[in-house]
Parts: sequence; C-alpha cells; structure tokens
Amino acid sequence: QQQVKQSPQSLIVQKGGISIINCAYENTAFDYFPWYQQFPGKGPALLIAIRPDVSEKKEGRFTISFNKSAKQFSLHIMDSQPGDSATYFCAAQGNTGTASKLTFGTGTRLQVTL
Amino acid sequence: DTGVSQNPRHKITKRGQNVTFRCDPISEHNRLYWYRQTLGQGPEFLTYFQNEAQLEKSRLLSDRFSAERPKGSFSTLEIQRTEQGDSAMYLCASSFSGKEQYFGPGTRLTVT
Repeated sequence: QQQVKQSPQSLIVQKGGISIINCAYENTAFDYFPWYQQFPGKGPALLIAIRPDVSEKKEGRFTISFNKSAKQFSLHIMDSQPGDSATYFCAAQGNTGTASKLTFGTGTRLQVTL
Repeated sequence: DTGVSQNPRHKITKRGQNVTFRCDPISEHNRLYWYRQTLGQGPEFLTYFQNEAQLEKSRLLSDRFSAERPKGSFSTLEIQRTEQGDSAMYLCASSFSGKEQYFGPGTRLTVT
C-alpha cells in the first residue's frame, strides 16, 4: 500500500529553470512533511519540511507548497543549478506515539542541464 | 563531524552468513531508526528505538532480523542466514523530538 505518491519519476530542467515535484498522501493522520535530497551512494539529507498549519514554506531557493484539503504538497526549486542534480524524496510522518516512522515517496531523479 | 555514522559502509557476504551493522546517532538524540532502501526506491521503515526501548517493528523485519540499542546510545542491526533478497542499503537515522530525522551514509549490503 503506497501511502505517499510522488511524481514525476524523473525530471530534466535547464540551468536557471524551476523544478517542481509533486506528492499526494492518503493518511489524514500525517502531520509533518519533509523533503530529502539524496546523491548516489549517500544517505538522504533533510532539505526542508512543512506542517499542515501553513500553506507555504520557503528556505533559500527551495519552497514547499501545501494543500491540506487536496492532501497534496510540492517542492519547487527556483533557479535550478547543476549541483541540484540528485534524487528527491517526499515523506510524511504522523504524530501519534507509534507513528514516528517516515513514509517515503518513490523518488524523483532530477537532472539540471547547462 | 557530529552527524550519524554507520559502519561498515559496504559489506559483501555469502548467502547464509550472518552480518551485523552498527549505527552511532547524533549525540543526545533519543530516537534511532533503521530503514532499508533498494535501488530506485524510497527508504522503507524497519524499526525504531526511543532510548533503549524498541517501540515499533515493521512487517519487513522478519525473524532473521534483530536490532538492539543497549544503553540507548549506538544501535546494531543483525541479519541471520542472509538471503539474496536482503541486498540493499541499510540506513540509520536519529532524531531528538521525533521529527527532523537525520540519516547516516548507510551500509550497502551485497549478498552473493
């Protein structure tokens, strides 16, 4: 059962362009939504996260947009750079005692071309 | 560097052998998580500890898998009688509040 659906599977963006990755969730008990960046052979690195009480969070070139009613959230990477080329995972986490685990999407491989 | 560390980084073993991985979390993080990641997929939850107590185990964690966190510091994940299907990246993460999980570099297991 895939509780977090992520799209697209892969994305090619020109340098300076905007990269957009979308996720949708089903479980309304989720209350924390982080994005992770992973380079080949490395562990996932926490990039930015949002809680459902806000609709948008921005950190530098990275912005999360959150739509609670639609149960969707997205990552926008502004002014995309070749160094942003990596796999990005959205995730969701609940707030009850045993819901501490992260449920991940299937990942988006981003390639930023010159 | 005070991030999450994992050892070994790579492990090649023959089917049927036992393997053990170690994770050292960020100091003072009371929660420690193990995930497994196969090629082209997102990490999947295996188990987690709050201090030394193992609070949740996934159905993915068969009887051949066991995890410990003695004294609430480092953790070990042991796989007995390894199978080729166990080949994956084993990731450890830690957190203080339960949110903001920070991952280590992972241990790549190859079962031949």
